[in-house]
Amino acid sequence: DQQVKQNSPSLSVQEGRISILNCDYTNSMFDYFLWYKKYPAEGPTFLISISSIKDKNEDGRFTVFLNKSAKHLSLHIVPSQPGDSAVYFCAAPRFSGTYKYIFGTGTRLKVLA
Amino acid sequence: NAGVMQNPRHLVRRRGQEARLRCSPMKGHSHVYWYRQLPEEGLKFMVYLQKENIIDESGMPKERFSAEFPKEGPSILRIQQVVRGDSAAYFCASSQGAGEKLFFGSGTQLSVL
Repeated sequence: DQQVKQNSPSLSVQEGRISILNCDYTNSMFDYFLWYKKYPAEGPTFLISISSIKDKNEDGRFTVFLNKSAKHLSLHIVPSQPGDSAVYFCAAPRFSGTYKYIFGTGTRLKVLA
Repeated sequence: NAGVMQNPRHLVRRRGQEARLRCSPMKGHSHVYWYRQLPEEGLKFMVYLQKENIIDESGMPKERFSAEFPKEGPSILRIQQVVRGDSAAYFCASSQGAGEKLFFGSGTQLSVL
């Protein structure tokens, strides 16, 4: 039961352009979402989050948009840089007696110089 | 380094041997989570522990896998009688409280020959 879905396994973008990574979810009880970035041979690192009471959160070059009616969120990176090349995971904490984070399958972003 | 520490970084075992993966959470964090990433797949939840207690082990295989987080010392993920299918990257994460942001270690890459 994949409650958090990232349907694009990979994305290539030219340096300086916008990268848009998408994530869909099925559980309407989710009220908090996070994006993590992962480089090869390293653990995921937190990037940005958004609460369901907002529809946008911005941090420098990174902006996350949330569309609750569509159960969809997206991460925008602008301008994209080669150092942004990594795998990006969206995640949501699910409460079913206890909290656990459900992760999407990830999108591999490649920013071309 | 006050981050999440995992060791070893790489572990090679022959089929039938035991694998022990260790995780020390961030200072001040009492919630520990283990995730597994199989090649070309996302992060799959395995188990959630607090000091001396297993809170949620719904993602753990029923046999051969166990986890603990003793009062003193690191959390241990133990895999008995390893098989080739256990080869994966195992990530530990910690949080300060339930449902709060996760901080990940660098992972242990388990290779079963």
